[in-house]
Amino acid sequence: DVKVTQSSRYLVKRTGEKVFLECVQDMDHENMFWYRQDPGLGLRLIYFSYDVKMKEKGDIPEGYSVSREKKERFSLILESASTNQTSMYLCASTPGQANSPLHFGNGTRLTVT
Amino acid sequence: GEDVEQSLFLSVREGDSSVINCTYTDSSSTYLYWYKQEPGAGLQLLTYIFSNMDMKQDQRLTVLLNKKDKHLSLRIADTQTGDSAIYFCAVPKAAGNKLTFGGGTRVLVKP
Repeated sequence: DVKVTQSSRYLVKRTGEKVFLECVQDMDHENMFWYRQDPGLGLRLIYFSYDVKMKEKGDIPEGYSVSREKKERFSLILESASTNQTSMYLCASTPGQANSPLHFGNGTRLTVT
Repeated sequence: GEDVEQSLFLSVREGDSSVINCTYTDSSSTYLYWYKQEPGAGLQLLTYIFSNMDMKQDQRLTVLLNKKDKHLSLRIADTQTGDSAIYFCAVPKAAGNKLTFGGGTRVLVKP
């Protein structure tokens, strides 16, 4: 079974802090994704990566950046956290074939105070 | 761009059938997915249907696709308390592996 692991289940940070959310997958998947989930808005794509050191903006990239230095690890970075970034963050991965389903981690609930 | 709509909430009695509906706008989709999110967990792939199919049955789950109306539904037969969760439909964008998700339907199963 594919395992997608997000390093933190819950995080509380202060406004202006730099925040790192880490995600690791163990199935050699090419594609990795970061979504945020908010009530009534479903999942919205922040960034995705289709290869090491490659990244593409999703639908809501503002205020975020990402890093993919190794194939198995995809990090989401909040350069200066703001209260409107309080959310559930979900990492996902898929192999390279088109239309493969996403495999999700359990999520990181981030609160910015 | 792709727009995927779902109703927010569904309440059903244990043993009854549940039907969750989803509409989408992009007609170039190939696979369409249903994901389930249980409390405190990430999303798990529940089932999927290829766009050249009208129906797919998988045990208690039936997926219906009306491609003309761009309408996807998930029917759960004999709904159990363990089926209480949020259900998301997801539709691939025209290119690549990016998915557009609906807002999720929270299903509450009452005993």
